[in-house]
Amino acid sequence: GQQVMQIPQYQHVQEGEDFTTYCNSSTTLSNIQWYKQRPGGHPVFLIQLVKSGEVKKQKRLTFQFGEAKKNSSLHITATQTTDVGTYFCAEDNQAGTALIFGKGTTLSVSS
Amino acid sequence: EAGVTQSPTHLIKTRGQQATLRCSPISGHTSVYWYQQALGLGLQFLLWYDEGEERNRGNFPPRFSGRQFPNYSSELNVNALELEDSALYLCASSFVGGKSPLHFGNGTRLTVT
Repeated sequence: GQQVMQIPQYQHVQEGEDFTTYCNSSTTLSNIQWYKQRPGGHPVFLIQLVKSGEVKKQKRLTFQFGEAKKNSSLHITATQTTDVGTYFCAEDNQAGTALIFGKGTTLSVSS
Repeated sequence: EAGVTQSPTHLIKTRGQQATLRCSPISGHTSVYWYQQALGLGLQFLLWYDEGEERNRGNFPPRFSGRQFPNYSSELNVNALELEDSALYLCASSFVGGKSPLHFGNGTRLTVT
């Protein structure tokens, strides 16, 4: 079945360091979405990527969609303590009827 | 606008009992999704409802069921509860299934003892 592999599972950084999480799919994706879940909170939508090779930025966050539309990445520049949480990528399943989430990357930041 | 609301916030049941979880979507959203978030397992897709119909279900046993009402609110029923059903159950809504961003509620924490 369709799977979304996300790495790393955990990442600890010092405040000010950069952080990247990767999402890989076994199939070509129609689109990919990224969500952030703060500790004790619920997932919040960050962005959707649709086009091959697409790059989108939100302040210190940079999102990329691979040329083959089988992988994506989220890069955070100069992390802050407010970046703490779990970042999920999510893709349509093959029937295009439900979002399938990766297991997420949990980011911790020490000041 | 009001967000997705879920009730109850916490629910404690014993093994073998039934649990009912409720969700009200954002006004204007017709699709409702249910996800299970157990510790260490990420978000597992349970069910998707749109316009009152079940559109898709994840790899869960039939004792997980639900429905969507004419006002687009939804409930998730879990029968014959097992210890491993303990998890955070998240409801999400969207305008159109599959492509639109999901808006999540705060979840119901179900504990089975």
